[in-house]
Amino acid sequence: GAGVSQSPSNKVTEKGKDVELRCDPISGHTALYWYRQRLGQGLEFLIYFQGNSAPDKSGLPSDRFSAERTGESVSTLTIQRTQQEDSAVYLCASSQMARGRLFFGSGTQLSVL
Amino acid sequence: DQQVKQNSPSLSVQEGRISILNCDYTNSMFDYFLWYKKYPAEGPTFLISISSIKDKNEDGRFTVFLNKSAKHLSLHIVPSQPGDSAVYFCAASAGNTDKLIFGTGTRLQVFP
Repeated sequence: GAGVSQSPSNKVTEKGKDVELRCDPISGHTALYWYRQRLGQGLEFLIYFQGNSAPDKSGLPSDRFSAERTGESVSTLTIQRTQQEDSAVYLCASSQMARGRLFFGSGTQLSVL
Repeated sequence: DQQVKQNSPSLSVQEGRISILNCDYTNSMFDYFLWYKKYPAEGPTFLISISSIKDKNEDGRFTVFLNKSAKHLSLHIVPSQPGDSAVYFCAASAGNTDKLIFGTGTRLQVFP
């Protein structure tokens, strides 16, 4: 596709449930990032994938959060046993090269009730 | 520990005037800085960047200034237009990592 695609665009879930968020990066982009934006806050780094290197997971807030990436394509962010404080917009971005300009998707609005 | 700070949550400017958005950082290892613009319900889009070897970069109506000694950068928009109304984020990265650290954003409103 022409841009970074994220699905679903909106997700409402109950506290304690698991959720899976999907990101399709721009074809050929080797770098992929996940950020989250809580209401009224900035963009919080979660995880970064670059090619076949080990991902930088330093931003994941707890072990309930995990992410995978298949080669240089789709990535999924999984949140287990969701909590209300997980409510946020989860943004995915991809880049053609390391330290390149990031192209963001429109995000997934996650609401945990 | 907020390494990139945007201390003004909002800014209101009249159309045609200059908008100046500020950003401060604490990590002296940061050597690459970017500004992104975000409209509601959309992802951020890249505006302009600057490397630490420069102190100014210009692209049309947008100019970014970097003051390394003060660990401060600013984005100037001149002349401001109503379509510039959005949230602006500054971001920084260090040479030893590709991780981009974002500020909290400044909401710019340009009124007629």
